[in-house]
Amino acid sequence: GENVEQHPSTLSVQEGDSAVIKCTYSDSASNYFPWYKQELGKGPQLIIDIRSNVGEKKDQRIAVTLNKTAKHFSLHITETQPEDSAVYFCAARYPPNFNKFYFGSGTKLNVKP
Amino acid sequence: GAVVSQHPSWVICKSGTSVKIECRSLDFQATTMFWYRQFPKQSLMLMATSNEGSKATYEQGVEKDKFLINHASLTLSTLTVTSAHPEDSSFYICSARRTSRNEQFFGPGTRLTVL
Repeated sequence: GENVEQHPSTLSVQEGDSAVIKCTYSDSASNYFPWYKQELGKGPQLIIDIRSNVGEKKDQRIAVTLNKTAKHFSLHITETQPEDSAVYFCAARYPPNFNKFYFGSGTKLNVKP
Repeated sequence: GAVVSQHPSWVICKSGTSVKIECRSLDFQATTMFWYRQFPKQSLMLMATSNEGSKATYEQGVEKDKFLINHASLTLSTLTVTSAHPEDSSFYICSARRTSRNEQFFGPGTRLTVL
């Protein structure tokens, strides 16, 4: 199977600063990497994703980079705002079972005003 | 688009009773739905994969007779926790995968408390 590790477990930044969360995966066959944001008491919300044939993807203040050789991918949030405070999870989809996502352990991001 | 709902959002029950949780994809068809369990401050643990019209596939260590899953239509999957015990108390989250797409969209979760 797949093993996804996520760091750091907690991250505090000042409003306006950037935040970076990193994940590594173990199986080079994984081909899809989504990022989810989970607010307290709610389900995870997909915020950005990247496929293995792409190295970088950006959506406004959020970007994801993928290094297939090193088997790691990262979430970058620029100009952080207090409403970005939440728990963020990375995941990797491992074939041959295309349906199964393996999740990282989560990063609690705290953006201080 | 891509909205997934769960009902109920929270439930409190007595030990020994059964609880049913519904997961619906509101604006898309989902041939595959997933059920996760999440303990406080922990990651999501996949319990089972639910395929429309066929039996669910359970992850290792998940009792299929205790967690009954039914996926009767392309927009509805249900999880029934049978003979619930306090250790079953948790946050249960479903997700739905759009047919022929990569993304999984999560429901808002159901907080189960067993007294």
